[in-house]
Amino acid sequence: KNEVEQSPQNLTAQEGEFITINCSYSVGISALHWLQQHPGGGIVSLFMLSSGKKKHGRLIATINIQEKHSSLHITASHPRDSAVYICAVRESFGNEKLTFGTGTRLTIIP
Amino acid sequence: DVKVTQSSRYLVKRTGEKVFLECVQDMDHENMFWYRQDPGLGLRLIYFSYDVKMKEKGDIPEGYSVSREKKERFSLILESASTNQTSMYLCASLDRESYGYTFGSGTRLTVV
Repeated sequence: KNEVEQSPQNLTAQEGEFITINCSYSVGISALHWLQQHPGGGIVSLFMLSSGKKKHGRLIATINIQEKHSSLHITASHPRDSAVYICAVRESFGNEKLTFGTGTRLTIIP
Repeated sequence: DVKVTQSSRYLVKRTGEKVFLECVQDMDHENMFWYRQDPGLGLRLIYFSYDVKMKEKGDIPEGYSVSREKKERFSLILESASTNQTSMYLCASLDRESYGYTFGSGTRLTVV
């Protein structure tokens, strides 16, 4: 079973700072997902990655398959980015189950 | 946009009660999932379903059962609620073409 670890567990930063959240996993995967969970509970899917890099607005996600590592970056952070960011991996094609990290709680101070 | 709706945001039940958590999706997805989320443990899979009347146990099925009588609805049942089932419960559905997951807004269940 894949072990998914995120770092840091908690991150507090000033508005405008560049944010990096890391995710590593132990077993080869077919895809990695980055999710965002705001207070109140609902989860939103941000990215699905199999290789390389994806960008959406101020969010950038990268993955290094050889290193079994992914990063989520937020440029020009804003208080509305405050949320829990969760990394999840899918191990093989045709396997729909995800294994989740425990999340990184990000707080952006105005 | 796919919508996954969970019937209750907050629920308080007594120990021993039978509890039904309902989840409905509007995009004809075959795959649906029930997770629970606890501090420090992340999301853990309770059950999933890959078609009507088809189900498979996840990592922590003990004390739970599920029902999928119609494609759009996946119900989680706590046969006899216990205090250790106090948790946030999240439902999700999967688009098999894009492998995109859509989550509901969660039900925070407290068992007293």
